[in-house]
Amino acid sequence: ETGVTQTPRHLVMGMTNKKSLKCEQHLGHNAMYWYKQSAKKPLELMFVYSLEERVENNSVPSRFSPECPNSSHLFLHLHTLQPEDSALYLCASSQVNRGETQYFGPGTRLLVL
Amino acid sequence: GENVEQHPSTLSVQEGDSAVIKCTYSDSASNYFPWYKQELGKRPQLIIDIRSNVGEKKDQRIAVTLNKTAKHFSLHITETQPEDSAVYFCAAHKGRNQFYFGTGTSLTVIP
Repeated sequence: ETGVTQTPRHLVMGMTNKKSLKCEQHLGHNAMYWYKQSAKKPLELMFVYSLEERVENNSVPSRFSPECPNSSHLFLHLHTLQPEDSALYLCASSQVNRGETQYFGPGTRLLVL
Repeated sequence: GENVEQHPSTLSVQEGDSAVIKCTYSDSASNYFPWYKQELGKRPQLIIDIRSNVGEKKDQRIAVTLNKTAKHFSLHITETQPEDSAVYFCAAHKGRNQFYFGTGTSLTVIP
């Protein structure tokens, strides 16, 4: 349960605020992911970093800005969000080319007012 | 891209009965298919997975079958217990980092 951690677990922010979500993995993996989970929708892959290089950006609005300073840490910087951005944001990690199994963090429940 | 469809969206079974959840995918390049269980307020956790060179895999009460020709794979849970109640997600993986998830199945096991 402590392999992938996320902070904060809950966040309420106004549309003009700037905040950051943090993810840390202790599994020695070399790929990290951000997902958005909304009610009654599939998990939406937002960003992928593999070997600290961003390899995927699935048409995510620019108000979401990822940062991966090293293979163990991943951030999601948020600014001028909209109410429809309210969701559970999940971080995951995996070892590329060795099983692909993803391990998820507990998520950050975000509410945009 | 890839399109993963999952059915049913909700499923209720009596304790001790079996539960089956089905997923279809569209891209024949997908080669790895994990299943995740997500309990209320918790993170998705991998419960079983299968690769495209295998037709079936079993782990105690849980099994997954894969039909590459028809592009579908299924999760089978036998002798269900109340603690099996959760949302289950299927996913298809291709390439290096592409994961595509189904919409989830909410399973309720009635004691």
